[in-house]
Amino acid sequence: NAGVMQNPRHLVRRRGQEARLRCSPMKGHSHVYWYRQLPEEGLKFMVYLQKENIIDESGMPKERFSAEFPKEGPSILRIQQVVRGDSAAYFCASSPRSIQETQYFGPGTRLLVL
Amino acid sequence: SQKIEQNSEALNIQEGKTATLTCNYTNYSPAYLQWYRQDPGRGPVFLLLIRENEKEKRKERLKVTFDTTLKQSLFHITASQPADSATYLCFTSGAGSYQLTFGKGTKLSVIP
Repeated sequence: NAGVMQNPRHLVRRRGQEARLRCSPMKGHSHVYWYRQLPEEGLKFMVYLQKENIIDESGMPKERFSAEFPKEGPSILRIQQVVRGDSAAYFCASSPRSIQETQYFGPGTRLLVL
Repeated sequence: SQKIEQNSEALNIQEGKTATLTCNYTNYSPAYLQWYRQDPGRGPVFLLLIRENEKEKRKERLKVTFDTTLKQSLFHITASQPADSATYLCFTSGAGSYQLTFGKGTKLSVIP
């Protein structure tokens, strides 16, 4: 039973480019969460999705960031026109049914904006 | 707004001793608390979950308590080992809402 998969593991972008981060939840999990971790800081919640629905995006910046979890395929976190401040580790987690359950985290994508 | 605080950024203890980490919350009453371990360069790994109607939960050398009066959870590692060295995070969501919140973490170093 494969765990949560994220790709790419490392992503380098120049300022102004787009970054697409992918997350495949564990089999049977319909809830996906995205978090951002800046160096030497804690995990900050960004967005919570269920299949085809955004449940809570209160932690996501209003501009340039978007997320989706389509009926088929992985969840995507998209950052348009990246800036240096977007450099961080982005973690995805999944859970079977609700936010009160254990979250299983992926290995993260480390985004570096040059 | 709700807040979670882990009052030690770093904790150094001698191998074999019990490590105690603290998580305090303010401005809300969570229905549960979870504790995770994070190693450098990796995603967090779930350790224990305790609900508001539970006083204590144990798993091998780990113990977590939940005091809703003090608004605090304590996480204990008994007979600590160097392999326990990692950052430990507490996590919860708001009662009746999402507000998914992690504490900043406590970096534990167990010295041989």
